[in-house]
Amino acid sequence: AQSVSQHNHHVILSEAASLELGCNYSYGGTVNLFWYVQYPGQHLQLLLKYFSGDPLVKGIKGFEAEFIKSKFSFNLRKPSVQWSDTAEYFCAVNAKNRDDKIIFGKGTRLHILP
Amino acid sequence: KAGVTQTPRYLIKTRGQQVTLSCSPISGHRSVSWYQQTPGQGLQFLFEYFSETQRNKGNFPGRFSGRQFSNSRSEMNVSTLELGDSALYLCASSGTGIIRNEQFFGPGTRLTVL
Repeated sequence: AQSVSQHNHHVILSEAASLELGCNYSYGGTVNLFWYVQYPGQHLQLLLKYFSGDPLVKGIKGFEAEFIKSKFSFNLRKPSVQWSDTAEYFCAVNAKNRDDKIIFGKGTRLHILP
Repeated sequence: KAGVTQTPRYLIKTRGQQVTLSCSPISGHRSVSWYQQTPGQGLQFLFEYFSETQRNKGNFPGRFSGRQFSNSRSEMNVSTLELGDSALYLCASSGTGIIRNEQFFGPGTRLTVL
């Protein structure tokens, strides 16, 4: 069965700092990978996704993530965070080409200091 | 296009009662998934319905059940409520084909069990 591990439960950064949130998954086959974000008081929304092709994917609001197959990782990055990036971030995975459920990590709560 | 809607938005129940939550997916989406979100546990998958059939199921007790109607609307029922059932219950819908893997979330129903 698939599982997703997010290394940091709570991250505090100052504005303009660089961000990297770790995500590792366990599954032997090919996968689809996602990062979702939940801003305070808002719905969960898709930040970016990887289905195939270029392992470096770009999402909304300047976020990007790199799929490293050999490391089973899909880390989220942003070169310079803003106060408005304060939110909870969830990594998710599902098995490609199967009608399998999407598994989410436990989330990383990011707090940006102004 | 209207987003995923969930009703009610807030519920307060007492232990032993039962509750029914409703979800209307995005028009044209046939898959509806339900998640339980609690602090520290992230999103835990409850079940997924596709074309009125349960396609996937998470590791929750039988007190949690669901169904989907011919118009793709879905309901989730929790019987014999326990204090630990207090959570945000999220519904997500997705389309078919490759986009089946991208989920669109509703605002959630906040359930408090006293």
